[in-house]
Amino acid sequence: GESVGLHLPTLSVQEGDNSIINCAYSNSASDYFIWYKQESGKGPQFIIDIRSNMDKRQGQRVTVLLNKTVKHLSLQIAATQPGDSAVYFCAETQAPGGGNKLTFGTGTQLKVEL
Amino acid sequence: NAGVTQTPKFQVLKTGQSMTLQCAQDMNHEYMSWYRQDPGMGLRLIHYSVGAGITDQGEVPNGYNVSRSTTEDFPLRLLSAAPSQTSVYFCASRGERTFNEKLFFGSGTQLSVL
Repeated sequence: GESVGLHLPTLSVQEGDNSIINCAYSNSASDYFIWYKQESGKGPQFIIDIRSNMDKRQGQRVTVLLNKTVKHLSLQIAATQPGDSAVYFCAETQAPGGGNKLTFGTGTQLKVEL
Repeated sequence: NAGVTQTPKFQVLKTGQSMTLQCAQDMNHEYMSWYRQDPGMGLRLIHYSVGAGITDQGEVPNGYNVSRSTTEDFPLRLLSAAPSQTSVYFCASRGERTFNEKLFFGSGTQLSVL
């Protein structure tokens, strides 16, 4: 999962396996959550979002799970591919309009081994 | 459609120098923002704007100025650069204010202050 500090947590998975990236958030008032993917040398790219009135949302090969009771968010990537290697960030805010001030986690490095 | 364009990509400054990081978007987005990204940390919001003529401070505004004279442009000014401002800077924009918090990021400006 994500943590504060100088070293990014790293998750190494074999190509074809499923990946699970975790994120703990601190603000109980947050009701909108987003996952971003950042490849080396590029800006973050939106992957998937979820509102607090949902506990699961699926996209193409990705699923986000939200557990508001323990303030935990996870991103599941099915059949992980080399192109999934990147740093993944979760972000939280209060919507609507709270997106003016997204709070980002510190990130998790995903490495896909061939 | 270029999206969010940042210039320059790389910049080296001496302590005390001033410079402006440029950001332009061609998506007619009302909301624009600047983030900085430091090793092992998530993105931190510097300043943001919800429309032309409107700006506000984020989490780490000290040492930075912004203005928003047009919808398209949101420059970030460093008046007197300090080594602590060595970072990667990202500009981001968003269209809908209330129900879509999805941010589009530029590719970043890597700044080193010696």
